[in-house]
Amino acid sequence: RKEVEQDPGPFNVPEGATVAFNCTYSNSASQSFFWYRQDCRKEPKLLMSVYSSGNEDGRFTAQLNRASQYISLLIRDSKLSDSATYLCVVNMGGSARQLTFGSGTQLTVLP
Amino acid sequence: DGGITQSPKYLFRKEGQNVTLSCEQNLNHDAMYWYRQDPGQGLRLIYYSQIVNDFQKGDIAEGYSVSREKKESFPLTVTSAQKNPTAFYLCASTPVHRLGTDTQYFGPGTRLTVL
Repeated sequence: RKEVEQDPGPFNVPEGATVAFNCTYSNSASQSFFWYRQDCRKEPKLLMSVYSSGNEDGRFTAQLNRASQYISLLIRDSKLSDSATYLCVVNMGGSARQLTFGSGTQLTVLP
Repeated sequence: DGGITQSPKYLFRKEGQNVTLSCEQNLNHDAMYWYRQDPGQGLRLIYYSQIVNDFQKGDIAEGYSVSREKKESFPLTVTSAQKNPTAFYLCASTPVHRLGTDTQYFGPGTRLTVL
């Protein structure tokens, strides 16, 4: 079982749609969680940090469910510019060796 | 402007050659990291460094070497011992010693192809 698992997609949605991604993690002692966005052939960039029960930033909402060991990312009113790969990242315990990246979920927003 | 720079953007290497990838940051960050990304996969940690003159192996350090002689610089050498070096290499940094709980800022990456 992968330590951080994501549905690879691709998710193809029309503009204006709401789309949700899930990510599961295997280590119950994981301390912090992040969503990164990665455009094609570019570096990852932080989208949101998820430290407690959830986080909202404009059209983006991240939720954490510690009991079930998953986090989610909800994108409302999706834009063409939201097309990218979304990486789930989990800190397993406070050192660089324990920062684990999911393989990403690819999103394409269609006109 | 502050940031992380990596060079070159594209690099081609013949089998059996060592190559060095550059990573420089002017963010005054303490910790620096090297990752490798293969198509359809997540980032995997190669090496990291918390302070000058100190570094630790990550999950896939075999065939790679690093140095940290200056706070701003963390070059990665891909040696001929690395069996499958073609990949996208990403350098990152964080501002404090507490690794993993702070945002990692990434450079633009170097795409290495072995011919």
